[in-house]
Amino acid sequence: DGGITQSPKYLFRKEGQNVTLSCEQNLNHDAMYWYRQDPGQGLRLIYYSQIVNDFQKGDIAEGYSVSREKKESFPLTVTSAQKNPTAFYLCASRITSTGWNTEAFFGQGTRLTVV
Amino acid sequence: DQQVKQNSPSLSVQEGRISILNCDYTNSMFDYFLWYKKYPAEGPTFLISISSIKDKNEDGRFTVFLNKSAKHLSLHIVPSQPGDSAVYFCAASAGFQGAQKLVFGQGTRLTINP
Repeated sequence: DGGITQSPKYLFRKEGQNVTLSCEQNLNHDAMYWYRQDPGQGLRLIYYSQIVNDFQKGDIAEGYSVSREKKESFPLTVTSAQKNPTAFYLCASRITSTGWNTEAFFGQGTRLTVV
Repeated sequence: DQQVKQNSPSLSVQEGRISILNCDYTNSMFDYFLWYKKYPAEGPTFLISISSIKDKNEDGRFTVFLNKSAKHLSLHIVPSQPGDSAVYFCAASAGFQGAQKLVFGQGTRLTINP
């Protein structure tokens, strides 16, 4: 089955620690995205990537880092510099190489809690 | 700067009636618009989209209308069903190809009452 997989579903982190959220897709999609959702708020873009070894900052990139070493994978690291990391994190992917607009597909999300 | 806005945080509709969700945008470069449905603790699922060259797109009970001059789009659900209760997000992207940012609104919580 093709899809986009985020792991783990729940993650607990102590203050001051870095933590990495996994996102893998087997849809052969070009672009991948990371969003953050806080209670009562929309989806805010953290980072996005169109191709391997290239990525751009979104609207709230501070305190986060990403890598895109493989087309299928786009891990997000939440660093200790992120002041309020407790949130629901969503990864998405979409085809862009055709030149046509397409919808993005989302993973099931990772709930990160700082304890 | 909130480029995509959903000004109604919540909407309550009677089962069987029409639900209308609204979305406004500020960036005139946006040329593709999408609606997503989201349940708690799950990823959003795609509902329907519309290109800026059209003013209406229909898929079953869902219709999206685009008014480019007003920078406004709306999602109509008719008839509304209890399973439609969820948070609905509109999204927009700019650029024919490439690493388009996909920008989301704040969401509207739709509740369908029996």
